[in-house]
Amino acid sequence: DVKVTQSSRYLVKRTGEKVFLECVQDMDHENMFWYRQDPGLGLRLIYFSYDVKMKEKGDIPEGYSVSREKKERFSLILESASTNQTSMYLCASSSYRGADTQYFGPGTRLTVL
Amino acid sequence: KQEVTQIPAALSVPEGENLVLNCSFTDSAIYNLQWFRQDPGKGLTSLLLIQSSQREQTSGRLNASLDKSSGRSTLYIAASQPGDSATYLCAVSNQGGKLIFGQGTELSVKP
Repeated sequence: DVKVTQSSRYLVKRTGEKVFLECVQDMDHENMFWYRQDPGLGLRLIYFSYDVKMKEKGDIPEGYSVSREKKERFSLILESASTNQTSMYLCASSSYRGADTQYFGPGTRLTVL
Repeated sequence: KQEVTQIPAALSVPEGENLVLNCSFTDSAIYNLQWFRQDPGKGLTSLLLIQSSQREQTSGRLNASLDKSSGRSTLYIAASQPGDSATYLCAVSNQGGKLIFGQGTELSVKP
């Protein structure tokens, strides 16, 4: 079975802190994605990556950056956390463009105080 | 810009009932359509994936159909059970594998 893991289930940070959210997949997938999920807004794509060291902006990249140094790991970075980044963050991976199921991790509930 | 709409937003049914969840999308140029299930506070679990060239997919009590030309998909759940209670999300994949999600339908199956 595909497994996507995220470093934390719950995280509490203070405004202005630098925050790292880690995602690891064990199926050698090329594609990895970061979403945030908010009530009334649904899931929105932040960043995605098709290969190591590649990254592309999604629909809401402002305030975020990403890093993909190894194929299995995709990190989301909040350079200076703000209260409006309080959200559920979901990571996903898939095997190739367009045609395959995305497999999701359990999510990280981030609260920024 | 692709938009995905799911109706109804919430649904409550008695156990054993057959039900249909609806999904519509504005741009028919999709690669595939997926249905996901999400339990409260959890990640998404893929239920069914329909490629753009397919009309339907089935898995157990679930059947999903796709009418690309009219921009519609339905998820049919047969003989619903309390364990089916969850939020069901529809998503379409355009060029590059990016998913565009609907807002979801929150299903409650009462014993």
